[in-house]
Amino acid sequence: NAGVTQTPKFQVLKTGQSMTLQCAQDMNHEYMSWYRQDPGMGLRLIHYSVGAGITDQGEVPNGYNVSRSTTEDFPLRLLSAAPSQTSVYFCASSRTRGSNYGYTFGSGTRLTVV
Amino acid sequence: DAKTTQPNSMESNEEEPVHLPCNHSTISGTDYIHWYRQLPSQGPEYVIHGLTSNVNNRMASLAIAEDRKSSTLILHRATLRDAAVYYCILSNEAAAGNKLTFGGGTRVLVKP
Repeated sequence: NAGVTQTPKFQVLKTGQSMTLQCAQDMNHEYMSWYRQDPGMGLRLIHYSVGAGITDQGEVPNGYNVSRSTTEDFPLRLLSAAPSQTSVYFCASSRTRGSNYGYTFGSGTRLTVV
Repeated sequence: DAKTTQPNSMESNEEEPVHLPCNHSTISGTDYIHWYRQLPSQGPEYVIHGLTSNVNNRMASLAIAEDRKSSTLILHRATLRDAAVYYCILSNEAAAGNKLTFGGGTRVLVKP
């Protein structure tokens, strides 16, 4: 099993450009989520999905869109990149939404917006 | 959200046990206690979680106080690979998105 796979690992964008961060998991997990981590900080939830076709906003959703057309994939779209979106982005999945399950995280995408 | 309090940093010698404390005095009855660690330049890694009883797995042990207002993560024999930031997190499926609210964590330094 590959676990949670994120691509790309690194990306540099110009202000105003758009892009999609990819996240795929092969564990048949229902629950998937996106976090961002700014330097020296903990992770903050951007968007999450409790199953295919269902998404919802987290703490910091502005400037990001998500969709969940399949169980395996949960892409994160930056609509118009801003320097404030420079961060490391982590995708995570869990068997289900319940608190009695651990999360598996991807290795992250380091994004710089100039 | 119920909050957790952890020391900023701890040091340990290799092959000695490490006890990482976490206070969560406002924990609710349905909050699970989760521990994750983050090695440099990597994503967080699940370590262990529990509700009321102490828990053991291949990575660590989790000791939960009887009143659940505090817990301790125990690494039985620290290795250099255990140097990381350790996060104590309360997780409740009733919270929006069942999110994991990460605080500052405890940075563990393991000395050879």
